[in-house]
Amino acid sequence: AQSVTQLGSHVSVSEGALVLLRCNYSSSVPPYLFWYVQYPNQGLQLLLKYTTGATLVKGINGFEAEFKKSETSFHLTKPSAHMSDAAEYFCVVTPNAGGTSYGKLTFGQGTILTVHP
Amino acid sequence: GAVVSQHPSWVICKSGTSVKIECRSLDFQATTMFWYRQFPKQSLMLMATSNEGSKATYEQGVEKDKFLINHASLTLSTLTVTSAHPEDSSFYICSALGTGTEAFFGQGTRLTVV
Repeated sequence: AQSVTQLGSHVSVSEGALVLLRCNYSSSVPPYLFWYVQYPNQGLQLLLKYTTGATLVKGINGFEAEFKKSETSFHLTKPSAHMSDAAEYFCVVTPNAGGTSYGKLTFGQGTILTVHP
Repeated sequence: GAVVSQHPSWVICKSGTSVKIECRSLDFQATTMFWYRQFPKQSLMLMATSNEGSKATYEQGVEKDKFLINHASLTLSTLTVTSAHPEDSSFYICSALGTGTEAFFGQGTRLTVV
């Protein structure tokens, strides 16, 4: 079984400020971890993913996340927020169990990021 | 990345009618597709796993007779919401898994039942 908890359903930052979106997970097997972004009434866009190897993962639009196994965390950060970053962000986990398990995603509750001028 | 096309992007239907949503993988073969539902202000929840040429596997609590899934080819899966009611109004989104470890999402379908 697996679950994802995103701390904070809403995060508000000023343009140019640091963005930190928190995510903790639980998984009975080694997980693959993802961050997706969703703009209003649109589909999901993959920001970044962790599968194996380097625990600091860089994604699109200047985002990065660090997999910390000891803390079961996968927090998303961006050094400087831009107005276009305003959206909803989902932390997602899937078991690294091969085959179709890679597609059975468990989503966190989502965090709505607001960026103020 | 690979492209998944979902159609229609939005639909309004009358209560009691059926609605079909298509999910196509445009540039790769998807042996497995997944259907998710997102209620307002909530996260996405997996409804079912669809394998080409076989019956879909539904998650607990999802009515298989209401949400009919057909995966007739390696590039197409359809979700039919039968006898739709206002409580079925939601955002439905599909994803497709090829031979790799990443599933790709369609654009989603906003269903409103009036």
